[in-house]
Amino acid sequence: GESVGLHLPTLSVQEGDNSIINCAYSNSASDYFIWYKQESGKGPQFIIDIRSNMDKRQGQRVTVLLNKTVKHLSLQIAATQPGDSAVYFCAENIIGSQGNLIFGKGTKLSVKP
Amino acid sequence: DGGITQSPKYLFRKEGQNVTLSCEQNLNHDAMYWYRQDPGQGLRLIYYSQIVNDFQKGDIAEGYSVSREKKESFPLTVTSAQKNPTAFYLCASSIEKGLRPLANWGNEQFFGPGTRLTVL
Repeated sequence: GESVGLHLPTLSVQEGDNSIINCAYSNSASDYFIWYKQESGKGPQFIIDIRSNMDKRQGQRVTVLLNKTVKHLSLQIAATQPGDSAVYFCAENIIGSQGNLIFGKGTKLSVKP
Repeated sequence: DGGITQSPKYLFRKEGQNVTLSCEQNLNHDAMYWYRQDPGQGLRLIYYSQIVNDFQKGDIAEGYSVSREKKESFPLTVTSAQKNPTAFYLCASSIEKGLRPLANWGNEQFFGPGTRLTVL
């Protein structure tokens, strides 16, 4: 079975609000995590990544938080815009897996104008 | 422009026919991957290749075949043995084949635009 999952399958937010998308992982040997954004009918796009030796990493309007104690990963999107509407999913790399990523099912983010 | 291309974007085939999906990358990446995506599900790994002339089965390889004769190309054949071939197929590549270059953060996978295969 998958070792990466998501707490919320759908999330609806108002334009301008902040969004938080969560992901739980179960493998303590995971050392690298990625968040991807996938728009309808398109391939996933890299958003941000984080190594297991970090707790937080910030990008442009996005922040990823990693809590290794509870094996939890979150993606925060500031000032959510209609263009942020997509499916977001996390992926993890397990040490020794030859670079293969394990993907979660995804959370659909809908932004209301 | 560098990137990964997949063709065609939409593909229709009759049941019982084999079909080959194209994936090309000009990123000089060593590793390439094929995933299958079904509605409401995560990506499932079909096959991957860490280096030319070598490839490994993923989690759902039955009914599929691949080849890696060139670094840039990793075509996927969906055979008639695949019981439920209708899906969205994604190809990806990454720069390394196990070791992470110091200049890179990790083994991020870059994805193509996908091919939607419908078997009638």
